[in-house]
Amino acid sequence: KAGVTQTPRYLIKTRGQQVTLSCSPISGHRSVSWYQQTPGQGLQFLFEYFSETQRNKGNFPGRFSGRQFSNSRSEMNVSTLELGDSALYLCASSLNSAGLYNEQFFGPGTRLTVL
Amino acid sequence: DQQVKQNSPSLSVQEGRISILNCDYTNSMFDYFLWYKKYPAEGPTFLISISSIKDKNEDGRFTVFLNKSAKHLSLHIVPSQPGDSAVYFCAASAQGGSEKLVFGKGTKLTVNP
Repeated sequence: KAGVTQTPRYLIKTRGQQVTLSCSPISGHRSVSWYQQTPGQGLQFLFEYFSETQRNKGNFPGRFSGRQFSNSRSEMNVSTLELGDSALYLCASSLNSAGLYNEQFFGPGTRLTVL
Repeated sequence: DQQVKQNSPSLSVQEGRISILNCDYTNSMFDYFLWYKKYPAEGPTFLISISSIKDKNEDGRFTVFLNKSAKHLSLHIVPSQPGDSAVYFCAASAQGGSEKLVFGKGTKLTVNP
């Protein structure tokens, strides 16, 4: 079974621009979560999508948004980029079977650099 | 407020010995705990998990212990191998359908040959 894939793997943008990152979950997984990893803050939860609906949201400004498509693929968008948005953005998918604890499986991440 | 804490940023052990990585949490609503391993330029890889109804879970060389009264969990790796060298993250979630994981900041394990 193919793992979680993320595109692009690397991205360089300048301040003020916007960016869209893509994530394809493991086949059959319905939940997709996004995390930001920075050296100072570690891994921080951005949001989670399930059945095309945002179900959970972390403490990030409205510049960070996302969506999920009917095939469970997800995109994350960051508008008006700031230098502090430079980070590794990780996507994770899980089965989210009711009544079961669900391990999340991570993709390799997209390394975003804002200049 | 950091709800999941890994107080040791790094740990160095000899090959063949035991590695013990520790994690403390503050939120009593957490009832599911996971350990992930991460190599540079890769996403975290799931290692082992434990629910709050258990106090121990074992998978090969990896064992996780949970002490709910102390709000403490630990990951034991026996025997340690050089390939185990990576950053280890502890994560926790509060159930109720939530997939939100709260991560510690990680412990870098180095296993010396």
